[in-house]
Amino acid sequence: GDSVTQMEGPVTLSEEAFLTINCTYTATGYPSLFWYVQYPGEGLQLLLKATKADDKGSNKGFEATYRKETTSFHLEKGSVQVSDSAVYFCALQGAQKLVFGQGTRLTINP
Amino acid sequence: NAGVTQTPKFRVLKTGQSMTLLCAQDMNHEYMYWYRQDPGMGLRLIHYSVGEGTTAKGEVPDGYNVSRLKKQNFLLGLESAAPSQTSVYFCASSYSGLENNSPLHFGNGTRLTVT
Repeated sequence: GDSVTQMEGPVTLSEEAFLTINCTYTATGYPSLFWYVQYPGEGLQLLLKATKADDKGSNKGFEATYRKETTSFHLEKGSVQVSDSAVYFCALQGAQKLVFGQGTRLTINP
Repeated sequence: NAGVTQTPKFRVLKTGQSMTLLCAQDMNHEYMYWYRQDPGMGLRLIHYSVGEGTTAKGEVPDGYNVSRLKKQNFLLGLESAAPSQTSVYFCASSYSGLENNSPLHFGNGTRLTVT
């Protein structure tokens, strides 16, 4: 069945560091892919998405490119801020549901 | 515009007790979902609804029931709570189905502990 695997966390970085959170998926066909972010005490919010191969989703300085060849959708940001501290979830569109990865907790220290 | 509102925010139950979690959305969304979030497991779909008066099972439906009597509300019931149902529960809604890439809007969650 469909599944999403994210890099193990937690991830701790210093402010202005480069961020990569790896995400790979297994699915039939070519599903839409998403990154959601969960700030402390809140629900998940859509961060970015890509609907077909080679699409790049971007928002708030974050980017992710839909790589069909490697079945990956890695999240990147060139210079992180303390306010980026949150849990990040990679997800794919399955049949009538989103399939989520286990989440990666990111902490940014000043 | 409140978005998706969940009540209560926290609850502690004893094994065997029952309770209902309420989800309300004011965005006129057709689709609503209940997920549970457990450490290391991401979010798993419990039940969902594609419109008023409809419900369907998700990935982990056992021990839960749902009702969608009004378009804006989606209720999640636990008839006889078990410790395995200790989790954080999230409600979400979307304007149309996921096949249209309609994003999910989440509530802030309900933290449930069953002792």
